[in-house]
Amino acid sequence: SQTIHQWPATLVQPVGSPLSLECTVEGTSNPNLYWYRQAAGRGLQLLFYSVGIGQISSEVPQNLSASRPQDRQFILSSKKLLLSDSGFYLCAWSRWNNSPLHFGNGTRLTVT
Amino acid sequence: DAKTTQPPSMDCAEGRAANLPCNHSTISGNEYVYWYRQIHSQGPQYIIHGLKNNETNEMASLIITEDRKSSTLILPHATLRDTAVYYCIVRVEGSARQLTFGSGTQLTVLP
Repeated sequence: SQTIHQWPATLVQPVGSPLSLECTVEGTSNPNLYWYRQAAGRGLQLLFYSVGIGQISSEVPQNLSASRPQDRQFILSSKKLLLSDSGFYLCAWSRWNNSPLHFGNGTRLTVT
Repeated sequence: DAKTTQPPSMDCAEGRAANLPCNHSTISGNEYVYWYRQIHSQGPQYIIHGLKNNETNEMASLIITEDRKSSTLILPHATLRDTAVYYCIVRVEGSARQLTFGSGTQLTVLP
């Protein structure tokens, strides 16, 4: 069966510090991968998605970037965090374009 | 991608059926209806999806109206563990990108 791992579960970082969140998927190959952000009390916002190694599509302009160095690894990064980057970050995968998304348990980021 | 409208909150008695409505009046012919739920501080969980026929799985049933402008998610025997935010989403067939989730419906199952 397939599993998705995200870490860390919680993170507190000062403004201006770098960020690296990692997501890995097991039990499948060439998945579609996604990064979402959820602000408190709001719905999920798609940040990035990837259909293959090195292929990244950005949905919104922002202070963040994503990379996919390996088939089942997706990384969310920032060089300098802003207060507005605080939120709940979720990684997800799907087998194909039409198949359901499966989410990790998220990382709660607080920028202070 | 079509927009969905859901009530912000609903209550349901434990053991009873929970019926969660969703309006998607601008849905296109190639858009599927998906339902997810999110328990506090966890990632969303996929529940069910469909195009135009009603669907049932071990978690729930999905009823889509004939004109496809609305749908209802049915949890046949709600338990306290079904308390969560339920999201209804429409998604274009073949699209690699995923829709932004809306605000969803907070379902509270009462003992």
